[in-house]
Amino acid sequence: NAGVTQTPKFQVLKTGQSMTLQCAQDMNHNSMYWYRQDPGMGLRLIYYSASEGTTDKGEVPNGYNVSRLNKREFSLRLESAAPSQTSVYFCASSEVVYQPQHFGDGTRLSIL
Amino acid sequence: AQTVTQSQPEMSVQEAETVTLSCTYDTSENNYYLFWYKQPPSRQMILVIRQEAYKQQNATENRFSVNFQKAAKSFSLKISDSQLGDTAMYFCAFMKQRGETSGSRLTFGEGTQLTVNP
Repeated sequence: NAGVTQTPKFQVLKTGQSMTLQCAQDMNHNSMYWYRQDPGMGLRLIYYSASEGTTDKGEVPNGYNVSRLNKREFSLRLESAAPSQTSVYFCASSEVVYQPQHFGDGTRLSIL
Repeated sequence: AQTVTQSQPEMSVQEAETVTLSCTYDTSENNYYLFWYKQPPSRQMILVIRQEAYKQQNATENRFSVNFQKAAKSFSLKISDSQLGDTAMYFCAFMKQRGETSGSRLTFGEGTQLTVNP
């Protein structure tokens, strides 16, 4: 019963490097989301995909790009990593609108 | 834009006692959803309870219940018979009711760290 799977769990990057965070869900959900969580703060939405083939910006999209590869997979890319992007990143999915979101275990990303 | 405020950064409670976590929100929407999520040290985000704004009855889920005051824009979480496993960061979250093609986006509060003491 995997749910939402994120890879990798931990990553250290140097400033300027690029990186793609992977997310896959096996619940046949339509909507998927990427959040970041910084110390002392709640989660903030980066990008989301309401359904396969669509993506939209969330609250903090600058410096990120996303791809909804198929219904199962939603990736987050950092083209040129910056120290301000050091955070814990969560992927989530929901069956349809108004249904609770199911979260992955998070990716801890440090940028030096 | 919606905002969610949790005014208690930290709380503690003795095992088996009852504790209430506060949450207020600001919105001009009439139809929306409210959630409490729990994040234990394992970092996983776990849904605790959900409330639809159009329902007057407060949601309950075993030892967890809410006090939803729509006019006051207040949504508190009550944990009864606290257990050591309830130790976690608790987040209040708000979701607007939007069209089916628009996705459902959560706005989170800052969180309340709850510690249950033996």
